[in-house]
Amino acid sequence: GAGVSQSPSNKVTEKGKDVELRCDPISGHTALYWYRQSLGQGLEFLIYFQGNSAPDKSGLPSDRFSAERTGGSVSTLTIQRTQQEDSAVYLCASSLQNELGTQYFGPGTRLLVL
Amino acid sequence: AQSVTQPDIHITVSEGASLELRCNYSYGATPYLFWYVQSPGQGLQLLLKYFSGDTLVQGIKGFEAEFKRSQSSFNLRKPSVHWSDAAEYFCAVGAPGGGGNKLTFGTGTQLKVEL
Repeated sequence: GAGVSQSPSNKVTEKGKDVELRCDPISGHTALYWYRQSLGQGLEFLIYFQGNSAPDKSGLPSDRFSAERTGGSVSTLTIQRTQQEDSAVYLCASSLQNELGTQYFGPGTRLLVL
Repeated sequence: AQSVTQPDIHITVSEGASLELRCNYSYGATPYLFWYVQSPGQGLQLLLKYFSGDTLVQGIKGFEAEFKRSQSSFNLRKPSVHWSDAAEYFCAVGAPGGGGNKLTFGTGTQLKVEL
């Protein structure tokens, strides 16, 4: 595709439910990042993938958060037993393989936990 | 750990006036520095980046930024602001490693342009 796409664009869920957020990176981009944008914490890094491996998971806030990437392309961020403090916009970015690659961001998934 | 400070939460300028958005960073090595812009309902768009070399970098939409190591700053400037520049601006520092580049963002500066 022309850019990074994310789905759904909006998600409303009840506290305690699990949610899955999807990211489709730009074709050919081997690096993929997840960030979270919330009122209280600003923009914060969650996890980084190089291919299907995650060399850096340091930003995942708890063990309720996990992510995977398959085929070096699509990534899914899963939040189990959602809490109200998980409400935020979840942003995905992709870049070419090396550290100098510009990160191109998707439009985000706005998650609201009631 | 790296950090970024954007001291101005909100800035209002008149259309046609010059603009400077401040950014200070903390990082132990030579930093990779970025400015992104986020318009309402839009994703983050890269304006410019600094990795090495010339400390004055040019970006898109007429923006430029200057890296000053002695001041740990990377301020964003534009000589003449247009109404369409109203948006939120984020400065970020990159921490390269493992083939990637984890970005740490400032809290953002909301720019309002008065006509």
